[in-house]
Formats: sequence, structure tokens, C-alpha cells
Amino acid sequence: SQQGEEDPQALSIQEGENATMNCSYKTSINNLQWYRQNSGRGLVHLILIRSNEREKHSGRLRVTLDTSKKSSSLLITASRAADTASYFCATRNAGGTSYGKLTFGQGTILTVHP
Amino acid sequence: GAVVSQHPSRVICKSGTSVKIECRSLDFQATTMFWYRQFPKKSLMLMATSNEGSKATYEQGVEKDKFLINHASLTLSTLTVTSAHPEDSSFYICSARDPWVDEKLFFGSGTQLSVL
Repeated sequence: SQQGEEDPQALSIQEGENATMNCSYKTSINNLQWYRQNSGRGLVHLILIRSNEREKHSGRLRVTLDTSKKSSSLLITASRAADTASYFCATRNAGGTSYGKLTFGQGTILTVHP
Repeated sequence: GAVVSQHPSRVICKSGTSVKIECRSLDFQATTMFWYRQFPKKSLMLMATSNEGSKATYEQGVEKDKFLINHASLTLSTLTVTSAHPEDSSFYICSARDPWVDEKLFFGSGTQLSVL
């Protein structure tokens, strides 16, 4: 089952603006990951944050994790038209029996207008 | 980074035929691969976990006789959609875990299956 719920479902911004996407989950997790998917393609891993971390940065990406609220956010700063894609959060459940098995959220479709 | 190759990228077939999709890890050995199904503008639905040298583990509601998975080597897993019907039309994606990289998954580019 898909436990990740993301909002907004769709986000449309102008180039140069920041984009923020949120993800909520229901069970205890080992880590939370964000992936990007261009239309009709596979997913590309962006960033991973562990359950004992609160914030992580990678280039123009900033991820936060609040385990008390079971939520995470992905911030893309100074967005570019090339950032247009779908973004998914994925969680690895704590104590899961299937190593590497991830549960994906519903995704946010980001459109960056030039 | 690790590369996962999936093909074909697109296949159109007649109802009743079987279709095989291949997923290869090109520069690492993948003891575990995962097969997903994705509908337009929707999330990924995990179908099964493919383990090298053993039977695949299917998610609830996924017909194992319909979606045959074989993981005969450390670099190749195949998904065969048997006796395909129009409702099987979908985007199928595989992913693999590199045991040396651990947590993150590497994805194939997906296969768009259209059953007429």
C-alpha cells in the first residue's frame, strides 16, 4: 500500500522561484528518500535522509524530516525549467523484512515555466 | 553511478500474447530487483520483489501466474506478462539495489506496454 501522501499534487511556478513539496507517512521509518521522474522515464534518486537526521542539503535541494509529525519536505531553490518533473517521496519502513523495499508517495508534478 | 538497463522501452502486442521485459544491472551485481507498475500521473505500485536464485515475492493482489518473474543471474531479472489483455496496458519499471551502495535504488527507464 502507498503510505506516502504528498502535497501539492501539482505545482506550477516561474523559473527562479523556490518550489516546496511535502510528504507525509504513517509508519515508523528507517529512512526517507526523494526521487525525480521525467515524463515516461524511470526514477532518479535525489537525496536520502535517515530517521535520526532533521535536515540535509544537496546542491539546490534541501530536505527536512520531522519524525514526530511523520512528514518531510523537499525544497528546490532557484528553480529551472529543467526541474520540471514528477517528484516522489519513498520510505523504507523500520524493521521491514524486505531489505531495500520502498513505499512510494503519490507524487507532486512540478512545472517550472521559463 | 550504477546503471540499470530495461528493455524494450515500448511494446505493442495483441491480446492473448505474452510479453517479456528485461531488467539488467550493467555495472553491479543486484541480488534484489523490484518490479513496479505505474498508471498515468500516478505513483509506483510495487508488484514483486525479485531475488536472485529464489522465487519472487509478490505483493498482495498481484497474480504470480500472470506476471512471471525470473532472476536467474545477479545482473538480470525478467518480467513476463502472460496472456496479456488490454487491462494489463501500463508502464512497468524495474529497480535494483546495489548492495555496496545500499539504501537507494537504481531504476530502469521503464517499459510502456500497450495491449490491443
